[in-house]
Amino acid sequence: GIQVEQSPPDLILQEGANSTLRCNFSDSVNNLQWFHQNPWGQLINLFYIPSGTKQNGRLSATTVATERYSLLYISSSQTTDSGVYFCAVREAGGTSYGKLTFGQGTILTVHP
Amino acid sequence: NAGVTQTPKFQVLKTGQSMTLQCAQDMNHEYMSWYRQDPGMGLRLIHYSVGAGITDQGEVPNGYNVSRSTTEDFPLRLLSAAPSQTSVYFCASSYSVLGHEQYFGPGTRLTVT
Repeated sequence: GIQVEQSPPDLILQEGANSTLRCNFSDSVNNLQWFHQNPWGQLINLFYIPSGTKQNGRLSATTVATERYSLLYISSSQTTDSGVYFCAVREAGGTSYGKLTFGQGTILTVHP
Repeated sequence: NAGVTQTPKFQVLKTGQSMTLQCAQDMNHEYMSWYRQDPGMGLRLIHYSVGAGITDQGEVPNGYNVSRSTTEDFPLRLLSAAPSQTSVYFCASSYSVLGHEQYFGPGTRLTVT
């Protein structure tokens, strides 16, 4: 099956700093999503971005499908950005039956 | 528009007990699925449904049962709970089984003693 690798595994920032999270995947995808799992465990949809670039406030994401990676940018980080960021993909074709394959996540801690 | 809702939020069961985790969505989505999240294992697909009356197994279906009698509801049944089923369970839905955005419910934290 498809492999998803996220880096870095852990990231510690001071409030106001910028950061870039990376997601590499091993095969073609027709769905790529970024999620934020907050300290209460909820999975919050950030971006649905199988290709191209999107921006939402301080967050933006870029997926280069031909090179099999996606980047999540967080600018001017705030303490409320803390949590785990997951990249999840759906393998194109095959028999993945809609399954999203998740990376292991990046644990982000933002200090005031 | 409530999105995907799950009940209960927390549950403690004794080994051998049965229970049903409820999941509902109000977005008229055809595709619904159940995942479990365990430390070090990420999220794994348990069962999924591509429409009312149609369900199938995911990666880790043993010990779980599902049905889909309506488009809105997709309950997950634990027939005889085991400690290995201690986990956080997420329900998700999307417009179709194809590459559409998936939306997750808030999760149910289950402990089996």
